[in-house]
Amino acid sequence: ETGVTQTPRHLVMGMTNKKSLKCEQHLGHNAMYWYKQSAKKPLELMFVYNFKEQTENNSVPSRFSPECPNSSHLFLHLHTLQPEDSALYLCASSQKTSGTYNEQFFGPGTRLTVL
Amino acid sequence: AQKITQTQPGMFVQEKEAVTLDCTYDTSDQSYGLFWYKQPSSGEMIFLIYQGSYDEQNATEGRYSLNFQKARKSANLVISASQLGDSAMYFCAMREYSQGGSEKLVFGKGTKLTVNP
Repeated sequence: ETGVTQTPRHLVMGMTNKKSLKCEQHLGHNAMYWYKQSAKKPLELMFVYNFKEQTENNSVPSRFSPECPNSSHLFLHLHTLQPEDSALYLCASSQKTSGTYNEQFFGPGTRLTVL
Repeated sequence: AQKITQTQPGMFVQEKEAVTLDCTYDTSDQSYGLFWYKQPSSGEMIFLIYQGSYDEQNATEGRYSLNFQKARKSANLVISASQLGDSAMYFCAMREYSQGGSEKLVFGKGTKLTVNP
């Protein structure tokens, strides 16, 4: 595996379900990010992790719970979601969280549908 | 107020021609960075090109170049010799820093480019 991988690629869940999204980066990066991309809206940053520590929570509802057990893995645990949470969830990684040139590498995303 | 503005929801270009995708930004920082990403229908965001605010020359990467006009706060992407595979959504993004010191990218709404044969 190379780059940033995300599983599953597609997920359909009911509002009472609990599911998790997984992201793994094979680039040796130290920072990982969760973004949400809703239809006709700009990409929105949700969470930032730097060396496994959460450094940014962009006012995300508690029904989204991130977990970063190590610098290579990032999870997004989902519970009691709402239909408006349906979106493409993108994971990204970068060498560090700040710098003059800090390109973020993105995974293919998980297309989430909440019924 | 929007920090990144992409005024073209959709653009069409003939194969082998050049196309310019517009991006204007709003910041009071002296040091900032601007990125362009391509998102094909598969969903993955692909990094194309970067321009730092202190870079004196416009960035170029193969067929991609960035027309950086600092005084006008614009960072337009120019794609030369368009190919059918260039059909995708294109996002302009600006790096900014949160109160916690984390870097984050602020994205525009995107431009959907369609290359016609």
